[in-house]
Amino acid sequence: NAGVTQTPKFRVLKTGQSMTLLCAQDMNHEYMYWYRQDPGMGLRLIHYSVGEGTTAKGEVPDGYNVSRLKKQNFLLGLESAAPSQTSVYFCASSYPTGNQPQHFGDGTRLSIL
Amino acid sequence: AQSVAQPEDQVNVAEGNPLTVKCTYSVSGNPYLFWYVQYPNRGLQFLLKYITGDNLVKGSYGFEAEFNKSQTSFHLKKPSALVSDSALYFCAVRDGLRRGYQKVTFGTGTKLQVIP
Repeated sequence: NAGVTQTPKFRVLKTGQSMTLLCAQDMNHEYMYWYRQDPGMGLRLIHYSVGEGTTAKGEVPDGYNVSRLKKQNFLLGLESAAPSQTSVYFCASSYPTGNQPQHFGDGTRLSIL
Repeated sequence: AQSVAQPEDQVNVAEGNPLTVKCTYSVSGNPYLFWYVQYPNRGLQFLLKYITGDNLVKGSYGFEAEFNKSQTSFHLKKPSALVSDSALYFCAVRDGLRRGYQKVTFGTGTKLQVIP
């Protein structure tokens, strides 16, 4: 079992470029999440999904879009990258029952120049 | 609104000594509480959780946590620290009374440094 897999692991972009971060899970989890991690700020939820074809905004959604066309995949898009989006991005997934933990990927380290 | 506080950015402890990483929380209903560990260049890994029942919860790698409802705390503990325990630790809370999707709030993390 791979768990949660994120691609790419590293990326450097120029301001204004676009890109898509990919997340795949093989645990048949209903819920999926995208977080960003910045020093001293913990994890902040960008967007989440409670099932195939559904997405919703989290705490810091501006500048990002997501799609969940298949249950096992959750894509995060940056349409026009800004330096403020330099961060480490984590994807996670979980069962829908609230007493279950989230399972995290190993992150994508993104730098915007 | 729910919240989690980890009052210490860093905790230093000598190898072999007991360790405590502190967490306090605020939630409107019954709390579901979690501890996660993050090693360098890795994602968060689940350590243990409190849902209901015994206030002392045992988890992975010899860690345990004590739930204290009156103090709204959920401190992470280990009787004897190892150098390999050095990592970033996150406490998280969710409102357990509500059904369906509920946001999980994470603390800002505490860096544990175990000194040989």
